[in-house]
Amino acid sequence: QVQLVESGGGVVQPGKSLRLSCTASGFTLGTYAIHWVRQAPGKGLEWVSIISYDGSNKYYADSVKGRFTISRDNSKNTLYLQMNSLRPEDTAVYYCARVGQQLVFYYGMDVWGQGTTVTVSS
Amino acid sequence: DIQMTQSPSTLSASVGDRVTITCRASQSISSWLAWYQQKPGKAPKLLIYKASSLQGGVPSRFSGSGSGTEFTLTISGLQPDDFATYYCQQYNSLWTFGQGTKVEIK
Repeated sequence: QVQLVESGGGVVQPGKSLRLSCTASGFTLGTYAIHWVRQAPGKGLEWVSIISYDGSNKYYADSVKGRFTISRDNSKNTLYLQMNSLRPEDTAVYYCARVGQQLVFYYGMDVWGQGTTVTVSS
Repeated sequence: DIQMTQSPSTLSASVGDRVTITCRASQSISSWLAWYQQKPGKAPKLLIYKASSLQGGVPSRFSGSGSGTEFTLTISGLQPDDFATYYCQQYNSLWTFGQGTKVEIK
């Protein structure tokens, strides 16, 4: 079964760090670009970051640039989002999502994880 | 940055209705647009990609059209399972979602 499973969420104080993981099963992670998308409580979807299938290209939303780092270890079928200098406005459910065509960036997101919740609060 | 604006924000409809949601881009995005459905507490589900291509497994009552800056998602014959929030998303230049349209029971 093709799926993505996020982990690593939790409650963290402002200014602290957290690392999210996204583990793939049922398909070869190493041939797909992967996004992180977040959703604040009661709000819409916000694109956060994307990494190419081989990790050579990465893009970030302005709201997280310089604070978040996306990476991947294809040998472990796992993707990461290192979140530093966290702010209350980073509070959200974080989803990883697969680009729906191999080796490309520009396609819809066809497989999503169930999400992991990050709460930034003192 | 490309901004995506959906209308309406909320739509009240009945089972069997034909429903249309509009998405406008702040600049041309060719056909690089996707539509998603999200139910409360669940991850989004891809419905349409490249403006009008139906994702596998999605019922044919869903259809998408448009190019450039104006796009529509149409549900022909609303079913009980279709009451949800719908998002458009551009992928012409980085990635941006619309603010969402909630389809609720009339």
